[in-house]
Amino acid sequence: AQRVTQPEKLLSVFKGAPVELKCNYSYSGSPELFWYVQYSRQRLQLLLRHISRESIKGFTADLNKGETSFHLKKPFAQEEDSAMYYCALKTNAGKSTFGDGTTLTVKP
Amino acid sequence: GAGVSQSPSNKVTEKGKDVELRCDPISGHTALYWYRQSLGQGLEFLIYFQGNSAPDKSGLPSDRFSAERTGGSVSTLTIQRTQQEDSAVYLCASTPTGGSSYGYTFGSGTRLTVV
Repeated sequence: AQRVTQPEKLLSVFKGAPVELKCNYSYSGSPELFWYVQYSRQRLQLLLRHISRESIKGFTADLNKGETSFHLKKPFAQEEDSAMYYCALKTNAGKSTFGDGTTLTVKP
Repeated sequence: GAGVSQSPSNKVTEKGKDVELRCDPISGHTALYWYRQSLGQGLEFLIYFQGNSAPDKSGLPSDRFSAERTGGSVSTLTIQRTQQEDSAVYLCASTPTGGSSYGYTFGSGTRLTVV
């Protein structure tokens, strides 16, 4: 069975500081990893996928299969980054397993 | 449609009553998912439909929960004899196919409160 762990329920940084939201997974197969974000009073939306190796809103995430991690990073946090972030693992079976989420607060 | 639509957006019901939640996925998306989001917790998988295949019901918490998808499009999640622990936000999502590389497009959810 697959599992996604986000060890930090709450994370607070100052504007302009680097931020890293941690995500670890366990899965015996080859996973597809995703980050989703939910801003206040908005719906949950896809932020980025590991397969596309893209940078969205300054965020990047690298899949580390050796450490089974997919941490989300941004070098300079902005106040508008304050939101709830979910890491998710999708398998060939089609459905995703989500972590419990990390609430990021960026202070001015 | 342009996005995933869910209705109603809010539902307050009395314990013991049945409720129906509706999801209209993006047009052409063959895969549809239901999740439940409880306060302070992550997303709990409920059920997954892919095309004409038998749905994956492995996440349904009890036989009070059921879902169907008619014509490969709209889906209805039914909760019978609601209990207070059913109170949560019910999220629907869709993807073009069931392939693992697609991220979800979510609806805005139905907030269910059982009193």
